[in-house]
Amino acid sequence: SAVISQKPSRDICQRGTSLTIQCQVDSQVTMMFWYRQQPGQSLTLIATANQGSEATYESGFVIDKFPISRPNLTFSTLTVSNMSPEDSSIYLCSVDGQGDYEQFFGPGTRLTVL
Amino acid sequence: QQPVQSPQAVILREGEDAVINCSSSKALYSVHWYRQKHGEAPVFLMILLKGGEQKGHEKISASFNEKKQQSSLYLTASQLSYSGTYFCGTAHGQAGTALIFGKGTTLSVSS
Repeated sequence: SAVISQKPSRDICQRGTSLTIQCQVDSQVTMMFWYRQQPGQSLTLIATANQGSEATYESGFVIDKFPISRPNLTFSTLTVSNMSPEDSSIYLCSVDGQGDYEQFFGPGTRLTVL
Repeated sequence: QQPVQSPQAVILREGEDAVINCSSSKALYSVHWYRQKHGEAPVFLMILLKGGEQKGHEKISASFNEKKQQSSLYLTASQLSYSGTYFCGTAHGQAGTALIFGKGTTLSVSS
C-alpha cells in the first residue's frame, strides 16, 4: 500500500486568509483525491486531481475557493482560500492503489478557522 | 447518490457479531469499506468489485449483490479493536474513480 503524508497536520487560521495543504505519496499514482470531513460527518469529495490536467471538482466546490495543483505523480496541493469558520474541517487526500483498486488515505489536515 | 448505510449505530459485547449494510440507488462498480477511529484517518478494510473479486482484511468478510446494488460487511466475534465508525464508499465508474461515502455506522464494542 502507498505511504501518504500530509502537511501541515493541523493549523489554526484567521478568517479571510488562505492555507495550502500538501500531500506527498511514496510512489507514483495516477489519481489523487481530496476529501473534506466536517466534525462528526462523513467524507465529502472535493475534487479529483490528475497529473497534467485540470482538477475535476464536485458539485458545491469551485476552483476559486479550492485551487488544486498536481505537478507530478507523487505530489498534490489543495489551497483553502478566503477561509471562513465554515471551512473548519479535516482535509484528507487519498490515492488509488495502482491496479489493486484500493484507495488509501493520508493522515489528514485538521483546520480550524477563527 | 450518497449510499445509504444501516444501522446508524451498533453496540456490542466482545465476541458478538454485527452486520452493516450499504445500498445505492445507482449501479455500482465497486464497494469499499473503511473503519475510522476518532482523530484518525480512515483505514481500508475491504474492496468488493463488480464480477465478484474481493480483497481485504483477513478477519472481515463482506458480500456484494450487484443486482440489488447492495453490500454488507460482516463483523464476527467482535473485538474491542473493532470499535469505530465504518464507512462504505461506492464507485460508479471504472476502477480508480473517486468514492462517494455513506454517512457511516458507529460500532461500539465493550468487554
